[in-house]
Amino acid sequence: DSGVTQTPKHLITATGQRVTLRCSPRSGDLSVYWYQQSLDQGLQFLIHYYNGEERAKGNILERFSAQQFPDLHSELNLSSLELGDSALYFCASSSQVSNTEAFFGQGTRLTVV
Amino acid sequence: DQQVKQNSPSLSVQEGRISILNCDYTNSMFDYFLWYKKYPAEGPTFLISISSIKDKNEDGRFTVFLNKSAKHLSLHIVPSQPGDSAVYFCAAIQGGSEKLVFGKGTKLTVNP
Repeated sequence: DSGVTQTPKHLITATGQRVTLRCSPRSGDLSVYWYQQSLDQGLQFLIHYYNGEERAKGNILERFSAQQFPDLHSELNLSSLELGDSALYFCASSSQVSNTEAFFGQGTRLTVV
Repeated sequence: DQQVKQNSPSLSVQEGRISILNCDYTNSMFDYFLWYKKYPAEGPTFLISISSIKDKNEDGRFTVFLNKSAKHLSLHIVPSQPGDSAVYFCAAIQGGSEKLVFGKGTKLTVNP
């Protein structure tokens, strides 16, 4: 158990819909990272928050957004969903700004039908 | 543009033998490299890392080698155990950046 909790574990939704994925970082960790893993792809960095502030953006679509709340949990919002958004979404946390040795959650498997 | 490449999607070895997983990168600005292991239905877990100022880092059965001139790193597992069967991801980060860049992973199967 990495200490990072992601909910829900599985999500099935229709195209055009909007979903919210939730991540609770390890106790004390200030950094939260979101990654997307599509079929046969490595993990693609989406976005990084540190202590409530956005620090870096990766290959995140404009239809996607995220935020980190004062209690440090984070949410990834995916809207106008397309079939190609079906993927595993991972959240990771670390105690520092740096991404090294971040701890990953179990992921949320999103299926868009 | 795949900056971190793991060209072998899968690798199969016998228990007790050495497993060698390879990773190539194209960005010469990467200065820290990590290996993650991922079991099905779990998130990746950190395994071992190496800084660009070193060419080798060892932790128990796991050793990572870095060849900066070739932009190549490898993970050696010896002896391999069935419990090592997992997908292994190579990742790299550039100093000052907060983005870990991952390869697509290599699925290792260790046969008893």
